[in-house]
Amino acid sequence: TQLLEQSPQFLSIQEGENLTVYCNSSSVFSSLQWYRQEPGEGPVLLVTVVTGGEVKKLKRLTFQFGDARKDSSLHITAAQPGDTGLYLCAGAPSPSGSARQLTFGSGTQLTVLP
Amino acid sequence: DTGVSQDPRHKITKRGQNVTFRCDPISEHNRLYWYRQTLGQGPEFLTYFQNEAQLEKSRLLSDRFSAERPKGSFSTLEIQRTEQGDSAMYLCASSSQGTWGYTFGSGTRLTVV
Repeated sequence: TQLLEQSPQFLSIQEGENLTVYCNSSSVFSSLQWYRQEPGEGPVLLVTVVTGGEVKKLKRLTFQFGDARKDSSLHITAAQPGDTGLYLCAGAPSPSGSARQLTFGSGTQLTVLP
Repeated sequence: DTGVSQDPRHKITKRGQNVTFRCDPISEHNRLYWYRQTLGQGPEFLTYFQNEAQLEKSRLLSDRFSAERPKGSFSTLEIQRTEQGDSAMYLCASSSQGTWGYTFGSGTRLTVV
């Protein structure tokens, strides 16, 4: 069973601060995705990282995939209240296998205070 | 493209009753997934369809749960003899073959009383 652990579980910061959340596993994933979820809504895909060591930027968000494709991080620069939400990482199994479902972490609940 | 639609958004039912949820995926997507999410947790896989074929089903899914996707378009998830432990957000997602990016619907919040 592939598991993803996210840390921290909760994070409350002031507007303008920087933060990093982590997603770790002992398993190798073919790709890893980050989603943001708001209360009462489904998760929304932010980014997919595929190559070990890959870094992707989405405005103030920077995503990195570990060299061994077992871990990932999300860094937010100058956080804003609109960044508030549940951040979920999800790992995809090997494309050569039959499994097609993503494995989700339990999420990091981020609150950015004005 | 109106995204993934789920109906109803909320459902309150008495223990022992049957419930059915509907999901309309993005029309170009041939893959459809059902996930369940409880408070404070990430989504948990339930089942997966490619076109009309149900290719994977979680071992955690009891026999009270059944899903269909007739004609490879919309899908339904039925829960028979609901239990309080079934209370959760039921999420539907779709994707194209060859991509891992899911588009989720807004979910159906089930409360079993």
